[in-house]
Amino acid sequence: DAGVIQSPRHEVTEMGQEVTLRCKPISGHNSLFWYRQTMMRGLELLIYFNNNVPIDDSGMPEDRFSAKMPNASFSTLKIQPSEPRDSAVYFCASSLALTAYQPQHFGDGTRLSIL
Amino acid sequence: QQPVQSPQAVILREGEDAVINCSSSKALYSVHWYRQKHGEAPVFLMILLKGGEQKGHEKISASFNEKKQQSSLYLTASQLSYSGTYFCGTESAVAGGTSYGKLTFGQGTILTVHP
Repeated sequence: DAGVIQSPRHEVTEMGQEVTLRCKPISGHNSLFWYRQTMMRGLELLIYFNNNVPIDDSGMPEDRFSAKMPNASFSTLKIQPSEPRDSAVYFCASSLALTAYQPQHFGDGTRLSIL
Repeated sequence: QQPVQSPQAVILREGEDAVINCSSSKALYSVHWYRQKHGEAPVFLMILLKGGEQKGHEKISASFNEKKQQSSLYLTASQLSYSGTYFCGTESAVAGGTSYGKLTFGQGTILTVHP
């Protein structure tokens, strides 16, 4: 079975540019999570969706960050304009349902470098 | 609030045992354990939902003490493949016992197993 698919795997861009990260959750999973991982802050939850609806975006650092889930099989995380401090590994995860009983399955991540 | 993991790092020889602890300042609804190898995505190990419950996965097991708001991960007769960073993800208990599936991850424990 296909797991969570993220693209691109690596992104290097200059400060001020728009960055779009993409995620395809596991088919049949109703919940989707976006995380950011850095050495300093660890694994942070940015936003999560249930049935394509954003539930909690309190982890989104600034208005420069936005996320959408137009349908059950696709989500984007956008940073505009990007800054060097946004450099991190961004993970997308999905789960069958939004409960404590369901594990989250992570994609391979996008390694983002802002110069 | 982020759970606290201890120790931060542990080095073992193959066949030795290890315990990783995860403590929270909040009442917990559930604890999830994940392992992440360098450059890869976190991989789900197990979920604990009830106080005092111990679950197992081959030679890896875990317990959850609701009263102490902590969980421990036990690695028995460690193998080289156990090397990686172990994360606990906690979900805080809310009024009414509703689960929102929102996890807060600890800083991780780096486990290194040598031959």
